[in-house]
Amino acid sequence: GESVGLHLPTLSVQEGDNSIINCAYSNSASDYFIWYKQESGKGPQFIIDIRSNMDKRQGQRVTVLLNKTVKHLSLQIAATQPGDSAVYFCAENRGQAGTALIFGKGTTLSVSS
Amino acid sequence: GAVVSQHPSWVICKSGTSVKIECRSLDFQATTMFWYRQFPKQSLMLMATSNEGSKATYEQGVEKDKFLINHASLTLSTLTVTSAHPEDSSFYICSARDLQSPGNTIYFGEGSWLTVV
Repeated sequence: GESVGLHLPTLSVQEGDNSIINCAYSNSASDYFIWYKQESGKGPQFIIDIRSNMDKRQGQRVTVLLNKTVKHLSLQIAATQPGDSAVYFCAENRGQAGTALIFGKGTTLSVSS
Repeated sequence: GAVVSQHPSWVICKSGTSVKIECRSLDFQATTMFWYRQFPKQSLMLMATSNEGSKATYEQGVEKDKFLINHASLTLSTLTVTSAHPEDSSFYICSARDLQSPGNTIYFGEGSWLTVV
């Protein structure tokens, strides 16, 4: 079964608000995590990644937090914009370079102006 | 930067026919590529791992005789859906690892829409 999942299927926010999207994973052996954004009809777009030796990583308007104790991952988007509306997936990778990413269920973010 | 290209972007085929989808790494060599399938409003489900020069590794529940994968070169993997049926209609996405990049970066194609009528 799936080892990576998301707590909420949809999230609606107002433009300018901060958004937090959560993800839980079950395999403590996972050592690499990525957040992807997917717009309708397109392939996943890389947002930010984090390795298991880190707790936090920041990008432009986005921050990923990793809590290995409770196997929890979150994506924070600052000053959310209508263009951020999409489905967001977390994905995990288990160790070896030849292994595939396993995706969670996805959260649909809707930003209203 | 590195790009993974899929072709065709969309295809319509008749039930019972076969259709081939190509996945190319444009500026790096990919010994390993991955094929995913995504149904509407669902997540990406890993179908198989495509290994250059050897047999693909299929995930549980994926029929290897129906979804033929060929990875004959370091820049090309193909997925052939054989004897397609309407339930095979889906969004198929490939990804490839650039093992020469820091962190073995994974790149995704833009996906291929398959509609079986």
